[in-house]
Amino acid sequence: NAGVMQNPRHLVRRRGQEARLRCSPMKGHSHVYWYRQLPEEGLKFMVYLQKENIIDESGMPKERFSAEFPKEGPSILRIQQVVRGDSAAYFCASSPLAPTGELFFGEGSRLTVL
Amino acid sequence: KNQVEQSPQSLIILEGKNCTLQCNYTVSPFSNLRWYKQDTGRGPVSLTIMTFSENTKSNGRYTATLDADTKQSSLHITASQLSDSASYICVVIMNYGGSQGNLIFGKGTKLSVKP
Repeated sequence: NAGVMQNPRHLVRRRGQEARLRCSPMKGHSHVYWYRQLPEEGLKFMVYLQKENIIDESGMPKERFSAEFPKEGPSILRIQQVVRGDSAAYFCASSPLAPTGELFFGEGSRLTVL
Repeated sequence: KNQVEQSPQSLIILEGKNCTLQCNYTVSPFSNLRWYKQDTGRGPVSLTIMTFSENTKSNGRYTATLDADTKQSSLHITASQLSDSASYICVVIMNYGGSQGNLIFGKGTKLSVKP
């Protein structure tokens, strides 16, 4: 059973471009969470999704950021018109149960905005 | 305000020594508390999950304690190894249904084990 898969592991974008980060949860997991981590900082919750539904997006900026988890395919975190402050590691986690199920994290996607 | 505070922020110990990391929280209502290990450049990996009724739980050389009355937890590492060098993150889960913004993360303790 493969773990949570995130890609790309590293992404470089220029200011104003779009970044798309993908997350394939573990088999059988229908709950996906996205977190952001700045260097030397803790993980910050962004959004929680179940298949085809956004359950809680209270941690996600209202503009430029969006997330989806379609019926088929991976969850996608999309950042439009990136700025330097978006440079961070973005981690995805999946869980078979909510709200208190065990979380399994991916290895993260590191976004660098030039 | 729901918060998780960890101490120390960083710690350097010699290989073979023991150490204890602290986690204090002001999260309510409480469901469970988790310790994660995050190697540099990697995703967090779960070490232990503690529910309200559990005081101590061990996972190999890692032993976690929980005092739900004082809202404190500790992670004790015995006979440290170089591979223990990592950030250790305390996460407290609030007990309410529906919304999933209910995992409160500490900033972590960065442990360096030196030979």
